Amino acid sequence: GAGVSQSPSNKVTEKGKDVELRCDPISGHTALYWYRQRLGQGLEFLIYFQGNSAPDKSGLPSDRFSAERTGESVSTLTIQRTQQEDSAVYLCASSLIVSFYEQYFGPGTRLTVT
Amino acid sequence: EDKVVQSPLSLVVHEGDTVTLNCSYEVTNFRSLLWYKQEKKAPTFLFMLTSSGIEKKSGRLSSILDKKELSSILNITATQTGDSAIYLCAVEAGGGADGLTFGKGTHLIIQP
Repeated sequence: GAGVSQSPSNKVTEKGKDVELRCDPISGHTALYWYRQRLGQGLEFLIYFQGNSAPDKSGLPSDRFSAERTGESVSTLTIQRTQQEDSAVYLCASSLIVSFYEQYFGPGTRLTVT
Repeated sequence: EDKVVQSPLSLVVHEGDTVTLNCSYEVTNFRSLLWYKQEKKAPTFLFMLTSSGIEKKSGRLSSILDKKELSSILNITATQTGDSAIYLCAVEAGGGADGLTFGKGTHLIIQP
C-alpha cells in the first residue's frame, strides 16, 4: 500500500477483555515500531521489530502486552485483560531499515477501555 | 531511567512571532536527538541531531544540540497558523529497549 495502515481505527472495549491491534507496514520495510500515546503524555516507545530478529520486549509496559510479526509483514499488538490505563492511541511505524528518523507512521488506533 | 523534559508545555503566540522550544535530557549512552511535529495522530520527522553546535535548518525551522548542557532547542521564525501543533522531542539511547524516549511535547498555538 501507499502508507502504513492500522486497524481498527477506533476500539472501545470493556475492562478485562483482550484486544488485538493490527499494523500493515509499507511493503519492503524491514523495521516496524509500536508506540503508545496516552492523553496528555508524549509518545511512549513500546517495541520494534527488525527483519526476522527477536524483538527486545523490555519496553512493553507489562506482561499483559505482547507483539508479534510474521516475517516482514503484518504485526499485531495484543493487550490481555485490558485496564483503563491502557486507554491510549497506539501508533505503528515502519522504515526500510532500523532508522528512527526515516520511519513512516500509521494513523493509529484509538483504544478506549471502559 | 532515561528522561526527556520539554518546555514550555504549551505556548500561544501571534503569527509572525519567533518561538524557541526547549528539550533537555538525561539518558545513558546518548546516540541522537530527534524533533517531530504532531498535528493529528501521526508525528512527522523534523530533525535528527547527533553533534553539538551544528545547526540543522529547514525553511523557517532550525535546531541545535548542546551536548554539554544536555539540551536542544527548536526555533521557528515568522510563525504561521500552520505551525500550530505539538512538537515532540525524543532521544535515542543505548540500553533498555534500545528505542526512543519522548518528552511530553510542547503544544504550540499560533493565533492569526
